[in-house]
Amino acid sequence: AQSVTQLDSHVSVSEGTPVLLRCNYSSSYSPSLFWYVQHPNKGLQLLLKYTSAATLVKGINGFEAEFKKSETSFHLTKPSAHMSDAAEYFCVVPVYNQGGKLIFGQGTELSVKP
Amino acid sequence: DGGITQSPKYLFRKEGQNVTLSCEQNLNHDAMYWYRQDPGQGLRLIYYSQIVNDFQKGDIAEGYSVSREKKESFPLTVTSAQKNPTAFYLCASHRAGLNQPQHFGDGTRLSIL
Repeated sequence: AQSVTQLDSHVSVSEGTPVLLRCNYSSSYSPSLFWYVQHPNKGLQLLLKYTSAATLVKGINGFEAEFKKSETSFHLTKPSAHMSDAAEYFCVVPVYNQGGKLIFGQGTELSVKP
Repeated sequence: DGGITQSPKYLFRKEGQNVTLSCEQNLNHDAMYWYRQDPGQGLRLIYYSQIVNDFQKGDIAEGYSVSREKKESFPLTVTSAQKNPTAFYLCASHRAGLNQPQHFGDGTRLSIL
């Protein structure tokens, strides 16, 4: 069975400091993985996706994530937080051989303090 | 610009009433999805459709119905059988192919009057 676990329900950082949002996955197959961001009362926006081409994936707005098979992790990072990064972040894995169905993590709420 | 349009943004339902949420996409995507999002929870799949005139139940289909008569449109009806309809509803779509990411609309917030 496949699953994703976001290890923190809430992360708080100061503006200008690094961001780390943690995601572990479980899969019997070589997975693809996505990170999405959701601002209040908005839909989800794709930040980045891993599809086995390169383990370090760069996304929009300065975010990046590294796929580590040995640790079954796909943590999201950003060197310097901006106030506009405050949002909910979801780690997501496509269900193997099920069309485009997705498994969502429970989400991590990122707060950014001035 | 291509995208997914959900309407209305806010919707209120009276007791015993059916309401329909609209989802239209001009991305030429084959597959479309409906999710429900409750505070503090992740997204839960209601219904999905991989092709016109065909759709499948997701994890929480009870009290909901859908149709897929056109490729661009996938309306969701919240029936009176859904006793707890207050939630944020999200529509998504993706193109054919392996591991394609889904694109999302901006959601409809449904509340009970």
